[in-house]
Amino acid sequence: AQKVTQAQTEISVVEKEDVTLDCVYETRDTTYYLFWYKQPPSGELVFLIRRNSFDEQNEISGRYSWNFQKSTSSFNFTITASQVVDSAVYFCALSEARSGGSNYKLTFGKGTLLTVNP
Amino acid sequence: ETGVTQTPRHLVMGMTNKKSLKCEQHLGHNAMYWYKQSAKKPLELMFVYSLEERVENNSVPSRFSPECPNSSHLFLHLHTLQPEDSALYLCASSQDKLAGSTDTQYFGPGTRLTVL
Repeated sequence: AQKVTQAQTEISVVEKEDVTLDCVYETRDTTYYLFWYKQPPSGELVFLIRRNSFDEQNEISGRYSWNFQKSTSSFNFTITASQVVDSAVYFCALSEARSGGSNYKLTFGKGTLLTVNP
Repeated sequence: ETGVTQTPRHLVMGMTNKKSLKCEQHLGHNAMYWYKQSAKKPLELMFVYSLEERVENNSVPSRFSPECPNSSHLFLHLHTLQPEDSALYLCASSQDKLAGSTDTQYFGPGTRLTVL
């Protein structure tokens, strides 16, 4: 069975600090996909990134970066020089690739509430 | 309109009411989803439609009834709900591809439902 653990329930930082959100996953499959979503107070889940299990290269997008380590089953998310607008709940999710039958199941972690204070 | 839209954004209903939630996607996708997000719980997948056919129903009570008339629209019909059904209901869509892959799901803003 798939499982995603986001051990940090809440994080509070001051603007311009760097912050890392942890994500640890469990799966029996060798082919799978990992996602991060952002949920601001408005409620919409905003897609941030998707990685497949064969691509362990770290990714950087502006102030956002992701560190994928298969050896530790982790897919951590770092925000550099945080801003107040980064305040949101961040979700890590896991999906196994479909093989024959349909598999639409995204397994979400419980989310990390990030508060960035001015 | 772009992306995934949901109406209404907020809904308050009594336990004996009948109401419907609407979702529309403008992304040209062929799969749509309903999720329930309750406080302190992970997102729960409720229903999945692919090519307008229901492909997953995760043991959802019959007081929730989905309808997918075409690939762009998805409804969730509600009747005789319970207070514990109060939650944020999120709709998502994706492009169903070949087996061996998985699809990024794009979400709408949600409907905040309160059952009195």
